Amino acid sequence: NADVMQNPRHLVRRRGQEARLRCSPMKGHSHVYWYRQLPEEGLKFMVYLQKENIIDESGMPKERFSAEFPKEGPSILRIQQVVRGDSAAYFCASSQLAGWNTGELFFGEGSRLTVL
Amino acid sequence: QQQVKQSPQSLIVQKGGISIINCAYENTAFDYFPWYQQFPGKGPALLIAIRPDVSEKKEGRFTISFNKSAKQFSLHIMDSQPGDSATYFCAASTGNQFYFGTGTSLTVIP
Repeated sequence: NADVMQNPRHLVRRRGQEARLRCSPMKGHSHVYWYRQLPEEGLKFMVYLQKENIIDESGMPKERFSAEFPKEGPSILRIQQVVRGDSAAYFCASSQLAGWNTGELFFGEGSRLTVL
Repeated sequence: QQQVKQSPQSLIVQKGGISIINCAYENTAFDYFPWYQQFPGKGPALLIAIRPDVSEKKEGRFTISFNKSAKQFSLHIMDSQPGDSATYFCAASTGNQFYFGTGTSLTVIP
């Protein structure tokens, strides 16, 4: 869904560098989810945030990965000291209310990270 | 641990045929079961969804069949068309958490 804006669409980093992925949810949406997609592994949940709060980060690696959703501005997924295994497509999704209430996640077109 | 198991991994169907994708889950707390469709280079988009209080939901050529006792649900695409060629993900949700299957790559041959 183009209304969930992710950038950059493609990002190339060398091992050890930092990657920052941004997500602007649909207008009026205050719930943001980040997923990682690897071939043949589907969509793996990483983190769920509401404005200024991390609600569930159970899917996010404990080290090198962090996420935020500030009061103003986009949600950011940050990967420090990237390794080749971080190469994947990272999708952001947003919803208006808690997921179970609306039932629908709106996805962005993803950010494809390549680590050289 | 895969919360939602999806099969087959890939599927080839003739135009006009029926495409069937299956999913199974274990967690009985799941209360919402959507299917998402993803085209190459795009993000997944909601196709159809069902809640466990009904056994079937139909929207156009797309039908979800839900078997609560077996903890299984499936997507049926009737009269499959080449434009249906995409990757399909089933998902299950409880509260704020969505768990996705590993996806099925569907190819509809003209």
